[in-house]
Amino acid sequence: DAGITQSPRHKVTETGTPVTLRCHQTENHRYMYWYRQDPGHGLRLIHYSYGVKDTDKGEVSDGYSVSRSKTEDFLLTLESATSSQTSVYFCAIREIRNRESGGYTFGSGTRLTVV
Amino acid sequence: AQTVTQSQPEMSVQEAETVTLSCTYDTSESDYYLFWYKQPPSRQMILVIRQEAYKQQNATENRFSVNFQKAAKSFSLKISDSQLGDAAMYFCAYRSAGNTGNQFYFGTGTSLTVIP
Repeated sequence: DAGITQSPRHKVTETGTPVTLRCHQTENHRYMYWYRQDPGHGLRLIHYSYGVKDTDKGEVSDGYSVSRSKTEDFLLTLESATSSQTSVYFCAIREIRNRESGGYTFGSGTRLTVV
Repeated sequence: AQTVTQSQPEMSVQEAETVTLSCTYDTSESDYYLFWYKQPPSRQMILVIRQEAYKQQNATENRFSVNFQKAAKSFSLKISDSQLGDAAMYFCAYRSAGNTGNQFYFGTGTSLTVIP
């Protein structure tokens, strides 16, 4: 599997402060995703990227922005953190080299607490 | 948007026994992938098994197998000879087929407890 790392692993921040989470991959995967995981909701897509500087919104994008200036890095920013953004955040990549592929490889997640 | 439903928030199984986790989905597409992911307390998401909709044969991976009923839009996971290490949250997921950036749709998860 491709290497994918997220940082930080845990973070506590105050309401109203900006927060940036980082996802880094060591392979040349085109597609990268940010999900949030909440009890009773499973994982929901925040934003995704299909190339450098190419991003699009998911179903829960309000209050979040992303950037991808290099293939290997996909950043998620909470512009002004709120308590409703307390969650576990996962980054994922997907291979599209052949039709038989199609699973996600996930990072280890970031637990973010907004107080 | 596609929806994925896991109607069992919690399940338990005796060690060495068999358990089946349910998943249904709603889609108008004819070609897609279905997945089961396992999330142990470590939080890591681990792919357990995948099924291509165009394949009639049910996927199997060692002690894990699926019952894929395309017409009924059902995709259950059977775990045989359950082990303590199988205790985890299990998520069912759907993705459209094709070489695009289509997102995954996840169910809300089933928490599996394995009783020694």
